[in-house]
Amino acid sequence: SAVISQKPSRDICQRGTSLTIQCQVDSQVTMMFWYRQQPGQSLTLIATANQGSEATYESGFVIDKFPISRPNLTFSTLTVSNMSPEDSSIYLCSVHRRGREGTEAFFGQGTRLTVV
Amino acid sequence: DQQVKQNSPSLSVQEGRISILNCDYTNSMFDYFLWYKKYPAEGPTFLISISSIKDKNEDGRFTVFLNKSAKHLSLHIVPSQPGDSAVYFCAASAVRKTSYDKVIFGPGTSLSVIP
Repeated sequence: SAVISQKPSRDICQRGTSLTIQCQVDSQVTMMFWYRQQPGQSLTLIATANQGSEATYESGFVIDKFPISRPNLTFSTLTVSNMSPEDSSIYLCSVHRRGREGTEAFFGQGTRLTVV
Repeated sequence: DQQVKQNSPSLSVQEGRISILNCDYTNSMFDYFLWYKKYPAEGPTFLISISSIKDKNEDGRFTVFLNKSAKHLSLHIVPSQPGDSAVYFCAASAVRKTSYDKVIFGPGTSLSVIP
């Protein structure tokens, strides 16, 4: 498994502002993943962050809204830009490890964002 | 279109009894299935997994059963304990030729174990 630290753990933000979430992993990983869990819903992949290249975004998510940085192999940031109440969610950083039988995802503790 | 479904949003079980959490999937390319447990204010933690070449995997009180023909899996917890009260996510992945695999999550089932 991996130790993944996220901060902040929670925040309450005004609409129209932006919040940057930081994610630190205790080992070097090629890819880091950002998920969102809206209230009562599943974990949805936002984007995959590769070191040294632009992030790859899933359908429904765009770089202008969720810019991602990946300056090195142990760190990434996700920014939630121009926030609205609909962005209130838990945001989770993850690394995936491919084992002998398949891929497992490991998560940070999450950032609970409330937009007012 | 949900590829991984958990049709029961919540489940209540008496302490000591069996908890059975169900999961269905639609994509026949999935070949690896996982269960995660999530407490409030924490990230999901990996619980148990099963490869599509097996139909059962057991780890202590937790057993996962896979029925490939029905595209159905279930997690059995026996005996259930109050500390098992959490949200359980079913997830699936498919081995692909790209350098990583996506993990697709279901919507979760909230389990309450009543003392």
